[in-house]
Amino acid sequence: NAGVTQTPKFRVLKTGQSMTLLCAQDMNHEYMYWYRQDPGMGLRLIHYSVGEGTTAKGEVPDGYNVSRLKKQNFLLGLESAAPSQTSVYFCASSLTGAQHGSPLHFGNGTRLTVT
Amino acid sequence: GENVEQHPSTLSVQEGDSAVIKCTYSDSASNYFPWYKQELGKRPQLIIDIRSNVGEKKDQRIAVTLNKTAKHFSLHITETQPEDSAVYFCAANGGANNLFFGTGTRLTVIP
Repeated sequence: NAGVTQTPKFRVLKTGQSMTLLCAQDMNHEYMYWYRQDPGMGLRLIHYSVGEGTTAKGEVPDGYNVSRLKKQNFLLGLESAAPSQTSVYFCASSLTGAQHGSPLHFGNGTRLTVT
Repeated sequence: GENVEQHPSTLSVQEGDSAVIKCTYSDSASNYFPWYKQELGKRPQLIIDIRSNVGEKKDQRIAVTLNKTAKHFSLHITETQPEDSAVYFCAANGGANNLFFGTGTRLTVIP
């Protein structure tokens, strides 16, 4: 049982380039999330999904897109990277969501640098 | 959305002493309050959580208290050890299925 797996672990992009971050979970969780972590700002929610085929915006969605074509995968895309998107990105999953007391399980993170 | 404030941002304690981290939240609909520990370069990991129908919860050396009226909750770590050194995050769900996080507290336990 691998839990939540993120790829890649590190990436450097030039301004304007695009990329996709992949998150996979093997716990049959319904909910999946993408957060970014910046120094002094905690974890901020980018987008989330409440089930296969669904996506919704979080606190800081601008410049990102997501897709959840399969229940176990949640993809985060950057169409045109900007230096402000330099951050550590964490994917998380939850069995039934926080409203039902279901905790979030995090992946190991992806460190992205945009130059 | 929910707004979670966390204090202090840094905390240093002597080994064996207690540490207390406090958080406030804005949305009275919040009903789930987890605490996460993040060691340097690692993922956040759940250490304890509490639901709104409970005022206090303990797990060995850690405890969480919740005051719904005042909209604040606290993490208490007793008999601190060097391995407790990490960044701790509180969170609240705003009545929804997402989590809104505080800005973190860097705890240093001095041997």
